[in-house]
Amino acid sequence: SQQGEEDPQALSIQEGENATMNCSYKTSINNLQWYRQNSGRGLVHLILIRSNEREKHSGRLRVTLDTSKKSSSLLITASRAADTASYFCATSSGYSTLTFGKGTMLLVSP
Amino acid sequence: EAGVVQSPRYKIIEKKQPVAFWCNPISGHNTLYWYRQNLGQGPELLIRYENEEAVDDSQLPKDRFSAERLKGVDSTLKIQPAELGDSAVYLCASTLGAGEFEQYFGPGTRLTVT
Repeated sequence: SQQGEEDPQALSIQEGENATMNCSYKTSINNLQWYRQNSGRGLVHLILIRSNEREKHSGRLRVTLDTSKKSSSLLITASRAADTASYFCATSSGYSTLTFGKGTMLLVSP
Repeated sequence: EAGVVQSPRYKIIEKKQPVAFWCNPISGHNTLYWYRQNLGQGPELLIRYENEEAVDDSQLPKDRFSAERLKGVDSTLKIQPAELGDSAVYLCASTLGAGEFEQYFGPGTRLTVT
């Protein structure tokens, strides 16, 4: 079963624009992670945010977490064609087991 | 440093045939996972190993799927017999240990059952 639900399912933007993806989940978590998957590099970890954190940055990525609403968002600023991929949120409730959502497909056009 | 290695990358078999996937995790990673990813979906956990012990296999269809991790390093996932619905990408991942760590994924094995 999948706990996370990403929104939108697909997103198409131009290079240089910002992309925002949202993730909602159902049960309490220890941490939430975002992963990227493209055909060239497989599934790659982007960022981890713990349940007691509200915001985290890594390069052009900004992640927020609202545990009261059981939701998270991933913002990619100044997007590039190379950001084209599927993005998944994954939640952990303990013991390092992750539950993934269905993903958001991002297309960045030059 | 080498990443998670999986083989084969692609496999096409007829239904009712057996198939096996192999995974070599990152050196020093004690925790190993097998996931199945269906088209358009996120990965779903099949089994998690801590060293050589399977600590979470609740989602593994045990009537046809089996896995082993001898000596706590390499792992093999087997399906016997395969069904049409088993067509998917099988992903292996590893982490340093139990806890809140990022997972490192291999490239996966794309299985097609005809």
